[in-house]
Amino acid sequence: GAGVSQSPSNKVTEKGKDVELRCDPISGHTALYWYRQSLGQGLEFLIYFQGNSAPDKSGLPSDRFSAERTGGSVSTLTIQRTQQEDSAVYLCASSFPNKNTEAFFGQGTRLTVV
Amino acid sequence: RKEVEQDPGPFNVPEGATVAFNCTYSNSASQSFFWYRQDCRKEPKLLMSVYSSGNEDGRFTAQLNRASQYISLLIRDSKLSDSATYLCVVTGPGAGSYQLTFGKGTKLSVIP
Repeated sequence: GAGVSQSPSNKVTEKGKDVELRCDPISGHTALYWYRQSLGQGLEFLIYFQGNSAPDKSGLPSDRFSAERTGGSVSTLTIQRTQQEDSAVYLCASSFPNKNTEAFFGQGTRLTVV
Repeated sequence: RKEVEQDPGPFNVPEGATVAFNCTYSNSASQSFFWYRQDCRKEPKLLMSVYSSGNEDGRFTAQLNRASQYISLLIRDSKLSDSATYLCVVTGPGAGSYQLTFGKGTKLSVIP
């Protein structure tokens, strides 16, 4: 009966390295979102998956960012050649794609690029 | 024009005060509207849905004005525990889309 689970909860990486962030949505939720939030800032939309439809990638800031969702469940956000400006909390949310549905967020992955 | 716009604040109000936040959205085809709350260093959580007729939940009242494309949240008798960032959320982009679009949030600080 778990909520949205994200791992790792914290990640420190060296500039230039690649990182993978994982999101396990709530079972049965076909909609999945990735956001990032820099310290003291608002949510920045990254990508949206809905079922088998083509994802909305309009929020990905550069081609270093990519995400996939395997089997309509677990999602992985990959950042290649990390930069210091990538440091932020990366939040994942999932929901049923219905009117008035509630989106449930994970607790996020805090990424620090040094 | 941003899809969902909010005044970032901060709104600093004394305990017991009434405070109101507004939010405007650009997608006239949006069908569903929400307010989420985010506490410091926590994930956002649903506060309340916003219905066309307006709705109230205790000290919180939400209103929707489709003609002007704005949503409001009124908090009466503010408590210290109301201090948080309030996020306006609408569905879209695109007609018929259930994708949720979040505003950047309005920060509220209730002071003793």
